[in-house]
Amino acid sequence: DVKVTQSSRYLVKRTGEKVFLECVQDMDHENMFWYRQDPGLGLRLIYFSYDVKMKEKGDIPEGYSVSREKKERFSLILESASTNQTSMYLCASTSGQGDTGELFFGEGSRLTVL
Amino acid sequence: GQNIDQPTEMTATEGAIVQINCTYQTSGFNGLFWYQQHAGEAPTFLSYNVLDGLEEKGRFSSFLSRSKGYSYLLLKELQMKDSASYLCAVMDSNYQLIWGAGTKLIIKP
Repeated sequence: DVKVTQSSRYLVKRTGEKVFLECVQDMDHENMFWYRQDPGLGLRLIYFSYDVKMKEKGDIPEGYSVSREKKERFSLILESASTNQTSMYLCASTSGQGDTGELFFGEGSRLTVL
Repeated sequence: GQNIDQPTEMTATEGAIVQINCTYQTSGFNGLFWYQQHAGEAPTFLSYNVLDGLEEKGRFSSFLSRSKGYSYLLLKELQMKDSASYLCAVMDSNYQLIWGAGTKLIIKP
């Protein structure tokens, strides 16, 4: 059974703290993505990666960075958390090998910044 | 700009049929996706359309008209477990996904 696992379901952090959100997939997928999901808005792409040590900015990269040291792991980093980064964060992966390009999502990490 | 429109919320009755519409304006088109997301859970893939017409998969069907920039998801024989949000997403000419805000479907007994 394919799986994308996010390290934390719920986090509460204070303004200015550094936050790490980790995502691991067991499907040997090349492509991994970080989205944020806010009420009334579509999923917004923060960063994505098509290969190890490779990263590309999405639509809203400001205030975030990422790391992909191993194929199966893609980490999202908030260097200095702010209240406007309170959101649901979703990690996803896809093989990128033809077919439908179906995305497999993790359960999400709900971050609250106080 | 690029835009995906779908209704915010819909209500339907158990056993009935419901159609969730999605209209889009994007820079190019490389396919349209529908995902289902139960509250507090991950979105899961439902369907993919790249050619015009109807794709049927059990109780769920998805339709695409590229000339009209329009798709719908049709759910038949509704069950209570179909209560969820349904997300429409279009892959543009750069193979990036543009997402709608989702339609929350409420099923009543």
